[in-house]
Amino acid sequence: GAGVSQSPSNKVTEKGKDVELRCDPISGHTALYWYRQSLGQGLEFLIYFQGNSAPDKSGLPSDRFSAERTGGSVSTLTIQRTQQEDSAVYLCASSLYSVGSGNEQFFGPGTRLTVL
Amino acid sequence: KQEVTQIPAALSVPEGENLVLNCSFTDSAIYNLQWFRQDPGKGLTSLLLIQSSQREQTSGRLNASLDKSSGRSTLYIAASQPGDSATYLCAVNTGNQFYFGTGTSLTVIP
Repeated sequence: GAGVSQSPSNKVTEKGKDVELRCDPISGHTALYWYRQSLGQGLEFLIYFQGNSAPDKSGLPSDRFSAERTGGSVSTLTIQRTQQEDSAVYLCASSLYSVGSGNEQFFGPGTRLTVL
Repeated sequence: KQEVTQIPAALSVPEGENLVLNCSFTDSAIYNLQWFRQDPGKGLTSLLLIQSSQREQTSGRLNASLDKSSGRSTLYIAASQPGDSATYLCAVNTGNQFYFGTGTSLTVIP
């Protein structure tokens, strides 16, 4: 596609439920990143995928968070047993090559998650 | 750990003014620095990317500079317009991650 897309755009869920957030990166981009933006906060790095390498999960806040990237393209971020503090906008970005090569990140519109 | 600070947190200027947004970072070992704008309820739009070997980048009315040794970058916006109203974020790339500042909220008053 022309840009990074994310779905759903909005998700309201009850505390304790699991949610899945999807990201479709720009075609051909090898690197994919997930961030979280809480109200009034900066962007918080969650996880980074580069090609077929093992992902950098250093930013995941707890073991309730996990992410997969299938076939080097689409990625799914899963939050299990959601808590109210998980409410935030979840942003996905992709870049042509790895971050270390100094490539530009392109962001999707985000998924706004609200946990009641 | 890299820390990125943006000053001011908010800025309001009359239309037509030139303005400067500031970004500072604590670790000069970066690969590049990227400036974004974020409109309310939207994702981030890339404005300019400066590689660590570069001093500045220009795109239209925007000019971004980088002084890696002092840990500073500025985003200069010339002849501001109401459509420039948004939050401006800077992010530094350290190799595995981007570290973001908390942004400057800009309002351009018609």
